[in-house]
Amino acid sequence: KAGVTQTPRYLIKTRGQQVTLSCSPISGHRSVSWYQQTPGQGLQFLFEYFSETQRNKGNFPGRFSGRQFSNSRSEMNVSTLELGDSALYLCASSLPTQGVREQFFGPGTRLTVL
Amino acid sequence: EDQVTQSPEALRLQEGESSSLNCSYTVSGLRGLFWYRQDPGKGPEFLFTLYSAGEEKEKERLKATLTKKESFLHITAPKPEDSATYLCAVQPPYNTDKLIFGTGTRLQVFP
Repeated sequence: KAGVTQTPRYLIKTRGQQVTLSCSPISGHRSVSWYQQTPGQGLQFLFEYFSETQRNKGNFPGRFSGRQFSNSRSEMNVSTLELGDSALYLCASSLPTQGVREQFFGPGTRLTVL
Repeated sequence: EDQVTQSPEALRLQEGESSSLNCSYTVSGLRGLFWYRQDPGKGPEFLFTLYSAGEEKEKERLKATLTKKESFLHITAPKPEDSATYLCAVQPPYNTDKLIFGTGTRLQVFP
């Protein structure tokens, strides 16, 4: 079974630009979550989507947005990039079960903002 | 505020030297506690889920345990390939997949 895939794996952008990252969940997984990982802050929750609806959102500015498509694939967008947005962006997917939901992560997209 | 604290931040072990990593948490109701392994430049790899105090799970040289306020990841006779960052995360009780992560323990095992 294929794991979570993320594209692109690496991105270099300049301040003020915008970027779109893509995530394809494990087959059968309908929930997708996004995290930002930096050396100083560790893994921070951005948002999660289920059935094309945002179910929960972390404490990030409105420049960070996302969406989910009917095939459960998800994208996140960051507008007006700042130097501090340089990070590893991770996507995770899980099955739509009740109770504890184990999340499986993709390899991440490394974003560098110059 | 929900919080996860891991200690130590870094740990250097000789091959074969057993040790434990700690994860303490404050969360209003715990749905699950997770351990992940992360290699440099890669996404976290799922290791264990623990649901209730007293529970234990094992995988090769790793054993995870859970009490009401903390979890331990015991590493028995580690090998150099066990070198990685080990992350602990908790899932709050409400209807969300959100994970609250600790900052991790960076483990180095030397031959």
